[in-house]
Amino acid sequence: GQSLEQPSEVTAVEGAIVQINCTYQTSGFYGLSWYQQHDGGAPTFLSYNALDGLEETGRFSSFLSRSDSYGYLLLQELQMKDSASYFCAVRDRTDKIIFGKGTRLHILP
Amino acid sequence: EPEVTQTPSHQVTQMGQEVILRCVPISNHLYFYWYRQILGQKVEFLVSFYNNEISEKSEIFDDQFSVERPDGSNFTLKIRSTKLEDSAMYFCASSPTYQTDTQYFGPGTRLTVL
Repeated sequence: GQSLEQPSEVTAVEGAIVQINCTYQTSGFYGLSWYQQHDGGAPTFLSYNALDGLEETGRFSSFLSRSDSYGYLLLQELQMKDSASYFCAVRDRTDKIIFGKGTRLHILP
Repeated sequence: EPEVTQTPSHQVTQMGQEVILRCVPISNHLYFYWYRQILGQKVEFLVSFYNNEISEKSEIFDDQFSVERPDGSNFTLKIRSTKLEDSAMYFCASSPTYQTDTQYFGPGTRLTVL
């Protein structure tokens, strides 16, 4: 079957670094996306990796290893406003977009 | 900055009634999507739309659902006969290109079926 696995919850301290992992199993693969969603809000696009390696955008970085079917989102210098749910997503061979169940990030002061 | 808009923000309907959820994608985007999110759960893909036709749909998108782009700006999702389990947040998204998966989501319509 097709699935994405990510931790349900992660807790970190303000100012620290946190990594949210995502492993995927799909019938086809074009790339891995990450979205942020605050409570009651819409998903907001963060990053997209089509090739292996690290992509950096400000405090957020995303990594992909196609051979390991694995990626992660790295958040640095955590701020309270980063408290949200983070979803990884892939497009499969049939062009459906599959989202993971989301990782709830709790940030402690 | 251009954004995806959706109306209404909240729709309450009786079971069995038809509802139409409306979206205005970003003007120069070519790919359009509908998703739903049941409270506390993950975002679920419903349908993608390109060049005035459905390009892909999920198992959720059965005969009760339809999409339409009636003019150059609107993109609608119709549910013909709503069920209690259709209660969810419905998000519209659009993308300028295909392969990058950079999708811009609207604020959503909360559908409550009584």
